[in-house]
Amino acid sequence: EAGVTQFPSHSVIEKGQTVTLRCDPISGHDNLYWYRRVMGKEIKFLLHFVKESKQDESGMPNNRFLAERTGGTYSTLKVQPAELEDSGVYFCASSQVLAGMSSSYNEQFFGPGTRLTVL
Amino acid sequence: QKEVEQNSGPLSVPEGAIASLNCTYSDRGSQSFFWYRQYSGKSPELIMFIYSNGDKEDGRFTAQLNKASQYVSLLIRDSQPSDSATYLCAVGKRNYGQNFVFGPGTRLSVLP
Repeated sequence: EAGVTQFPSHSVIEKGQTVTLRCDPISGHDNLYWYRRVMGKEIKFLLHFVKESKQDESGMPNNRFLAERTGGTYSTLKVQPAELEDSGVYFCASSQVLAGMSSSYNEQFFGPGTRLTVL
Repeated sequence: QKEVEQNSGPLSVPEGAIASLNCTYSDRGSQSFFWYRQYSGKSPELIMFIYSNGDKEDGRFTAQLNKASQYVSLLIRDSQPSDSATYLCAVGKRNYGQNFVFGPGTRLSVLP
């Protein structure tokens, strides 16, 4: 079974440009999460989709970040315009919705991340 | 106070020894606890999860949870050089729409 995949693995852009990151979750996983790790800091939650719906976007830093998950399959995270402080590693994770169990018990499987560098 | 705290390390142990990794959390409503291992430049990989007070064993790994003390630990027995990595403690926060709160990670170095 294929794991969570992310594209691109690296992206270097200039301040003010736009970048779109893509995540393909494990097939059948309705939960999809975006996280970010900036240098020297811990991994921080950005937002959570259940299928195509945004369940929680409390971690999105500002309105320069836009996440979508049309059709409930893959997701994109767009940063427009990018700023220097957006540099970091963006991780995507997915998990199943387990019948009869609270989602708080869901194991999340992480993708390899996209390393974004804004110059 | 950070929501999830870990000693950043590095924690160095000799090969074959027991490595003990600790994590404390501030939210008493936390329900689920996960240990991830992350090699440099790679994705976090789930090692263990624990939901109930007590110990949970899986091979060389034992997770321990004490909700009263808001403390979770990971023991690695018979440590191997391949265990050298950063270990991330993640705490699940909500009943639904759960997201994880991560600690900063502890870097473990197992010396041959």
